[in-house]
Amino acid sequence: AQSVTQPDIHITVSEGASLELRCNYSYGATPYLFWYVQSPGQGLQLLLKYFSGDTLVQGIKGFEAEFKRSQSSFNLRKPSVHWSDAAEYFCAVGEGSASKIIFGSGTRLSIRP
Amino acid sequence: GAVVSQHPSRVICKSGTSVKIECRSLDFQATTMFWYRQFPKKSLMLMATSNEGSKATYEQGVEKDKFLINHASLTLSTLTVTSAHPEDSSFYICSAPPPSGGQTQYFGPGTRLLVL
Repeated sequence: AQSVTQPDIHITVSEGASLELRCNYSYGATPYLFWYVQSPGQGLQLLLKYFSGDTLVQGIKGFEAEFKRSQSSFNLRKPSVHWSDAAEYFCAVGEGSASKIIFGSGTRLSIRP
Repeated sequence: GAVVSQHPSRVICKSGTSVKIECRSLDFQATTMFWYRQFPKKSLMLMATSNEGSKATYEQGVEKDKFLINHASLTLSTLTVTSAHPEDSSFYICSAPPPSGGQTQYFGPGTRLLVL
């Protein structure tokens, strides 16, 4: 069965600092991978996705993620965070053709002024 | 762009009553929709796959008789929490894939249920 692990429950970074959120997945074939962001009181917003091709994926709001098959990872990065980036971030994996998505446990990002 | 709506956005009910939550795909048809449950400060847990014209597929551990799902049309799926109890209080989110298929989902804004 597929699974997604986000080892960091809560991360605090200073505004302007770089960010990396970790995500590891377990899946037998080439996975469909996603990063979503959920702000307080807001719905889920897709930041980026990886289906195939270039392993470095660019997303919205200056985020990027790199798919590393050898490490079963899909870490999310941003070179310089803004206070508005404070939110809950979810890594997710898509299950085959069924369009079913399995979410990781989430990482809460706080921004230090 | 494709949008998924949910109604109501928030509902408070008494223990023992049933609550219906609607999920609608706007401007597109969805033969499949998904229902998730999110506990406070927790991740989204997939509850079931709603299939238009056929029975829903429930994930392991989800009570079918407790969470009734009906996908009556290509734009509407409903989740009914029957005989709700305080432990059913949660944030319920639905999603639908776009008509072109694939893995990208459009998520609804969620419905917060509080059972007193």
